[in-house]
Amino acid sequence: EAQVTQNPRYLITVTGKKLTVTCSQNMNHEYMSWYRQDPGLGLRQIYYSMNVEVTDKGDVPEGYKVSRKEKRNFPLILESPSPNQTSLYFCASSIQGSMADTQYFGPGTRLTVL
Amino acid sequence: TQLLEQSPQFLSIQEGENLTVYCNSSSVFSSLQWYRQEPGEGPVLLVTVVTGGEVKKLKRLTFQFGDARKDSSLHITAAQPGDTGLYLCAGGYGNKLVFGAGTILRVKS
Repeated sequence: EAQVTQNPRYLITVTGKKLTVTCSQNMNHEYMSWYRQDPGLGLRQIYYSMNVEVTDKGDVPEGYKVSRKEKRNFPLILESPSPNQTSLYFCASSIQGSMADTQYFGPGTRLTVL
Repeated sequence: TQLLEQSPQFLSIQEGENLTVYCNSSSVFSSLQWYRQEPGEGPVLLVTVVTGGEVKKLKRLTFQFGDARKDSSLHITAAQPGDTGLYLCAGGYGNKLVFGAGTILRVKS
């Protein structure tokens, strides 16, 4: 089944404790991205990747890191999480970098930073 | 500041009523997409429009892209409880997809 998977689905952590949220897609998509969703603000892009080893900042990159060593994986790293990073996170992929392509979203990761 | 403004933010209607959701911007977008999101899930694409003035129909849903490619609307005819969800518009802006804040639709039976 074609899908985007994220792990973990739920995470409660404390300020400053490094964490990684994994994202994997099995559709051989070139474009992958991370979003955070907050009430009243919609989805805001954190980082995106046009292909392996190619990443770029989205609209809200501060406090986050990403890497794209393989085509299928695009982990999101929070080196020192803070409470303002409490949010619902979505990974997405599309076949190429055209914004007219269908974005396939993962099921989301709900992160709480205490 | 939201690049894409969606209105209304909330909509609660009775089954069988019609409704329209709007997505407006001062920027020109290369494409405009509408997504629907249910609780606990990621957004799912409903439609993509790329040409100014384009109209697309998907059963009871009609999507329109403004002539200047700065705005879009989603019209639902005879809404049903199954239409309940969060509706998001998203505009293609360079290498990014910019989302509106969303419209929460609740259809009561």
